Order: sequence, then C-alpha cells, then structure tokens
Amino acid sequence: DTGVSQNPRHKITKRGQNVTFRCDPISEHNRLYWYRQTLGQGPEFLTYFQNEAQLEKSRLLSDRFSAERPKGSFSTLEIQRTEQGDSAMYLCASSLGVGTQHFGDGTRLSIL
Amino acid sequence: QKEVEQNSGPLSVPEGAIASLNCTYSDRGSQSFFWYRQYSGKSPELIMSIYSNGDKEDGRFTAQLNKASQYVSLLIRDSQPSDSATYLCAVVFSGNTGKLIFGQGTTLQVKP
Repeated sequence: DTGVSQNPRHKITKRGQNVTFRCDPISEHNRLYWYRQTLGQGPEFLTYFQNEAQLEKSRLLSDRFSAERPKGSFSTLEIQRTEQGDSAMYLCASSLGVGTQHFGDGTRLSIL
Repeated sequence: QKEVEQNSGPLSVPEGAIASLNCTYSDRGSQSFFWYRQYSGKSPELIMSIYSNGDKEDGRFTAQLNKASQYVSLLIRDSQPSDSATYLCAVVFSGNTGKLIFGQGTTLQVKP
C-alpha cells in the first residue's frame, strides 16, 4: 500500500493559464474523489469516479473544470483559463467502495 | 442545504487535559461519520469512524455519536502538544454517493 499520490505538490501559474493535476489512487481502490480546500475551510467535494465512470459532479465544478479517469486507475483534473478564485489545495482521495477515504498530500495551486 | 457545523475555535487546552470537539449535522438519515486530523499544510488523516449510536474508543481517542440529537463528538484524553492541529468532522449524508461533507474544522491548541 503506497498510499494516494498527487502531482505536482505545488503549482504556481498566471491567471488565464491551464493547469492539470494528477492523482494515483491506492491500487485496489475503485472509487476516486476530488475535493478542494481553501484556507480556514473544510474540503469541498468536486467530483468522483467509480472505476472509469464519473458519477457525480458538484455545482462548484464550473465548465472550466474537467476530470478524467480513463482506465479506472489514475485521474487528472484540468482547470482551463485559471482565475484568482481557483487558488486552493486540491485533494484527491480513494476508497474501496463506500469504505474509508484515504487522502493524498494534495496539490496547492497558486494563481498570480 | 445539507450541512455539517463545527466551532472553528481555537480550542486551547493544557497538556494532559481532555479536549472535547463537537460537530452537528443537518441530515437525520446520515449513517457514516468520520473525524480527520489535519496539520497545517498537510492533507487530512483519518482518526476515527463511527456508524452506531454510542461511544467508540481507540487509544486516547473516543468518538461519540447521538443520531437523535444529530451530534457527533471527539474526545482526546491526555492531550499532547503533538495533538495541536485542525480536526475535521465529515459526514456521509443519506442517499448520496459516499462523498464526504466536511465541517469547517476546529483548531486545537495543546499548551505545554
């Protein structure tokens, strides 16, 4: 069990640029969740996958956000045309079914 | 709107004391409850899960659930300075997909 891995750990970009984050879940976990956390707040749900199917998206996920999990293993989260308000920690978690969710170390996004 | 509420704190206790952290939730049908610990700049780490009314103990930690009052708490006995962190309450609401709904977290400070 190598844990949930997220890359990069920190991303600094200029407003308007596109960014992509990657999450590698625990290998036998079929569910993968993305959350976003801003300073002083708890994580907020963005979207989740069961295997390769994206089964739910939060209303927080605007059209600029897209997530994929093409082979039911790793997942990517892309943000197009980044805005200041996108600055946050993006957390990935995985689980076996509805079991305990294990979080990765997160990707901290800073928009200049 | 389904919510999870926590007092943001900070809650300050002396070393060796009992720290009591509280959480209320809005969905009476919720079945799964979790406490995560988050150190500054790090990702959430699961401490306890609880599913049935009553107490659940694990080492220095005790989770308490009262579904009738829609209330879940975490007690930390013999608090240590290393327990200083933000404690996040998370709930899986009824009828949803396993996504976690988090409170804003309570910051605990344990003073030597």
